Amino acid sequence: RKEVEQDPGPFNVPEGATVAFNCTYSNSASQSFFWYRQDCRKEPKLLMSVYSSGNEDGRFTAQLNRASQYISLLIRDSKLSDSATYLCVVFRRASGTYKYIFGTGTRLKVLA
Amino acid sequence: GAVVSQHPSRVICKSGTSVKIECRSLDFQATTMFWYRQFPKQSLMLMATSNEGSKATYEQGVEKDKFLINHASLTLSTLTVTSAHPEDSSFYICSAEGTGDQPQHFGDGTRLSIL
Repeated sequence: RKEVEQDPGPFNVPEGATVAFNCTYSNSASQSFFWYRQDCRKEPKLLMSVYSSGNEDGRFTAQLNRASQYISLLIRDSKLSDSATYLCVVFRRASGTYKYIFGTGTRLKVLA
Repeated sequence: GAVVSQHPSRVICKSGTSVKIECRSLDFQATTMFWYRQFPKQSLMLMATSNEGSKATYEQGVEKDKFLINHASLTLSTLTVTSAHPEDSSFYICSAEGTGDQPQHFGDGTRLSIL
């Protein structure tokens, strides 16, 4: 079982739709959580950090449930430009160092 | 803002060649850099954590003699894929530990194709 799991999709949605992605993580020692966006053949770009209190940035809302070890991302009013792969990322310390663990990503296609 | 420069962006070479990829932090110092590999339609997999002035920490299953990492200064880490074979063809990407509100600063990645 992967440490960070996501539904790979693809999610095909029409413009203007609301879409939600979920992510689960298995290591309870995980400390910080992020959503990244990756366009094809490009480096990942930080979309937003995720907090237990929930956070919102424009059309994007992220939520963390530590008890269930579950992270979500909600995109409202989808735009064509939102088409990308969304990566759930978990940060934790291990053996005197620290690391970021990436999920496999969820592909989103927003259709005109 | 903080920028990480990765070079080269694209490499095509014959099997058996060794390939060096550079990752530079511009305008900031990076004690720790990370090297990832991403195969098509898969996630970024951490290969190793590069620490300035000390040995890299490799993830399980990553051959340290095949993927040589050198982090000789606070602004430069290099990954050398020694005697590369077609199965090493992948997208290699580095990142530096974050500054400000960015957890990591990524390079643009290197697409390696071994014929």
